[in-house]
Formats: sequence, C-alpha cells, structure tokens
Amino acid sequence: GQSLEQPSEVTAVEGAIVQINCTYQTSGFYGLSWYQQHDGGAPTFLSYNALDGLEETGRFSSFLSRSDSYGYLLLQELQMKDSASYFCAVSRGFQKLVFGTGTRLLVSP
Amino acid sequence: SQTIHQWPATLVQPVGSPLSLECTVEGTSNPNLYWYRQAAGRGLQLLFYSVGIGQISSEVPQNLSASRPQDRQFILSSKKLLLSDSGFYLCAWSRDGGVGQPQHFGDGTRLSIL
Repeated sequence: GQSLEQPSEVTAVEGAIVQINCTYQTSGFYGLSWYQQHDGGAPTFLSYNALDGLEETGRFSSFLSRSDSYGYLLLQELQMKDSASYFCAVSRGFQKLVFGTGTRLLVSP
Repeated sequence: SQTIHQWPATLVQPVGSPLSLECTVEGTSNPNLYWYRQAAGRGLQLLFYSVGIGQISSEVPQNLSASRPQDRQFILSSKKLLLSDSGFYLCAWSRDGGVGQPQHFGDGTRLSIL
C-alpha cells in the first residue's frame, strides 16, 4: 500500500515562518513534490526533491530525507496570499504522482 | 508559452446521463496528459494518464474512460454517471522528460450529479 500523512491544518501570522511536514510510505519512490492550491483553483507546482537535502526557491524551501521517508515545505516571510492548501506528492515511477490529503494553511494579519 | 484549457468549468448532470469533459494543451508537443479527481477537502486521485495518442493507462477501476484522439487533446467520458462521480475534475500536462517534471493543471470542472 501507499500513504502520505500531512497535518490537516496549520495557522500562522504574517511575516512568520511555517513548516508543513509530510511522511510517506510507498512502494517505489523517485521523489517528493509540493503543490499549492488556493480555494476553488488549480494546483500549482512549487518544488521537487529527488535527493536528500534542502532546495530553496525564493521564500519557499523543501527538504527531503529518503532514509526517514520524510519531507517538509518551509514557507518564510508569510504573506496573506500564502493562505492555501499545500499538497505533498510522491513520484512513483513514470510521472505517476500520489498526492497527500493536503494541509490547509491559514495566515492571519 | 504553454497553456491548458479545460471545459466546462461547472456541470450539473442527472444520474445515468453520459459525460464528456475535454482538455486541450497549447504550446507544446507530445505532452504527458493526466485526469485527476478531487473530492471536497481531499487530495487528488489520478484517474488516467497518457503518454501518446491512443495510449491510455487507467489507475482506478470505475465507470469512467479516457481517450486521446489527438496529441494535445484528452477527453474524459462516462456512459452512465453515478452519484459517486461528483467531484472536481482536473486535467494536467507535463513534459515528456522523466520523473519529477512539474505537472501543470487546468482550472478544473466542478461536476455535480443529481
């Protein structure tokens, strides 16, 4: 079987730093992706980690530890527009993504 | 630049009626194409993916089917809709370039079955 676990909801204030964790159990693992989805909108790609370590893209960073089957998305200098759902997704073989159930991030003033 | 079009945006259908959702991609050739379904407050479930014209892989057994009649056209169909088919249907594309390629999503179709 396969499963991905993320917290269902995280709250933070503007300007803060928040970390969204993702643990996974899957047969066949090629990498971990993160997607952002605003209410009613389409998911948009944020990052992909194939190797252990931290990848930084502007205010967002993503980390992967393959030995721990764990990753996280780090959002810095939070803005109101960052309020959205964030999904981790495991790449299993050829372009097949298995998505987690998502973490709803609420940013308050 | 590449764009993906998906229609209709919303659809209300009676149980037992047929379904056809269409997705087209512009600005790229030989994309990988995907259909996902998202239940309210949940993650995305991969339904079908395609690596080329006429090549369809099904991930979840159900009363839905998919077809790719042209390189950049992907169609999701059903002959008889069930109540459980309600949801948010998303089409996506990615480059044919190996694992880890970002998937780019259309704006989705919100399907309600009455």
